Amino acid sequence: GENVEQHPSTLSVQEGDSAVIKCTYSDSASNYFPWYKQELGKGPQLIIDIRSNVGEKKDQRIAVTLNKTAKHFSLHITETQPEDSAVYFCAASKAAPARQLTFGSGTQLTVLP
Amino acid sequence: EAQVTQNPRYLITVTGKKLTVTCSQNMNHEYMSWYRQDPGLGLRQIYYSMNVEVTDKGDVPEGYKVSRKEKRNFPLILESPSPNQTSLYFCASSWEGDTEAFFGQGTRLTVV
Repeated sequence: GENVEQHPSTLSVQEGDSAVIKCTYSDSASNYFPWYKQELGKGPQLIIDIRSNVGEKKDQRIAVTLNKTAKHFSLHITETQPEDSAVYFCAASKAAPARQLTFGSGTQLTVLP
Repeated sequence: EAQVTQNPRYLITVTGKKLTVTCSQNMNHEYMSWYRQDPGLGLRQIYYSMNVEVTDKGDVPEGYKVSRKEKRNFPLILESPSPNQTSLYFCASSWEGDTEAFFGQGTRLTVV
């Protein structure tokens, strides 16, 4: 089955700096790669996603890049703010028909004021 | 408001006492799933359902049961809970498995 590895497990950055979280996946048939943000005491919430026919996607301060050949994808957050502090999860969708999501182990991001 | 509602939010129980965690969504989503979240392991899928009366095992199904008799509800059943099922549980729903998943607030279960 699919295996998703995520690094680093913890990341501290100064406010205003950029943060990068990286994930690799094992199943070359996976074609959907979402990123979720989990704030303390809440369920994960989708912040951005990318499909395998696209190499990069941006939404304001957040961007995701995908390298299908190397089977890795990354989340980039620019101009970080204290409210970006949370746990971030990457995920990959298995092939049809079930299209199950397999999650990475998470990254605790702390933005220091 | 579009939401996924889980109950209870917190539960402490004893080994072997059957329990059910309820999950309900109001978005008419076809796909629902259950995950458990443990430190350092991320979210692992327990069971999923692609539609009413259609359920299948995820990555860690042992010790759990589910049912999908109505589109909006997807309860998680632990018939004989054990301490290794102490975890944070999330229900999620989406249009399909590879579209945005909406998560509930979570159920923190402790089995003693």
